[in-house]
Amino acid sequence: DTAVSQTPKYLVTQMGNDKSIKCEQNLGHDTMYWYKQDSKKFLKIMFSYNNKELIINETVPNRFSPKSPDKAHLNLHINSLELGDSAVYFCASRETGTAISEQFFGPGTRLTVL
Amino acid sequence: QQQVKQSPQSLIVQKGGISIINCAYENTAFDYFPWYQQFPGKGPALLIAIRPDVSEKKEGRFTISFNKSAKQFSLHIMDSQPGDSATYFCAASWSGNQFYFGTGTSLTVIP
Repeated sequence: DTAVSQTPKYLVTQMGNDKSIKCEQNLGHDTMYWYKQDSKKFLKIMFSYNNKELIINETVPNRFSPKSPDKAHLNLHINSLELGDSAVYFCASRETGTAISEQFFGPGTRLTVL
Repeated sequence: QQQVKQSPQSLIVQKGGISIINCAYENTAFDYFPWYQQFPGKGPALLIAIRPDVSEKKEGRFTISFNKSAKQFSLHIMDSQPGDSATYFCAASWSGNQFYFGTGTSLTVIP
């Protein structure tokens, strides 16, 4: 009964390819995020969706496109992969409301672009 | 621009010692300051968090000290254990909408 799950855990691909990472949460949360963690472990937010609506879109190349088919899923599609896209990508979720609540992170997807 | 600055980058502590990690922020609109713990190969997990209306929060061996006027907050790990060896991130948020993370501190506790 994993709270936030991501697939795949590892992804190795060639430059120029298109790939997707899937995220699902079974916590009933209404907000989901994608973060990128680089080789120096710096965590940076990429996108945030609330009830399937994009609410945060940081300065991310438009090769990255999030898609939220429903509030339990937030997928990340990456076109024309580049070497610099190699990183660990984390999905997270939380419930918004009157009180600030905890973010729950998935286990991460390690993307390696060759 | 780094919204939250964290130091040190790495820390080595003897078992039983006190680990201290510091963070500083600029944006006075921040109203929630969590600390996350990340083990290798895992996602970050919330350790402890504080709101700016209190100066200290303690949960077991973990304490957050918060200095609103200095715009600084720190994590203290008392009686550090080898199992505490991990990377620790401070973060800041306003209204919980967007979280800005520090650069992380790699803690090693030597037996």
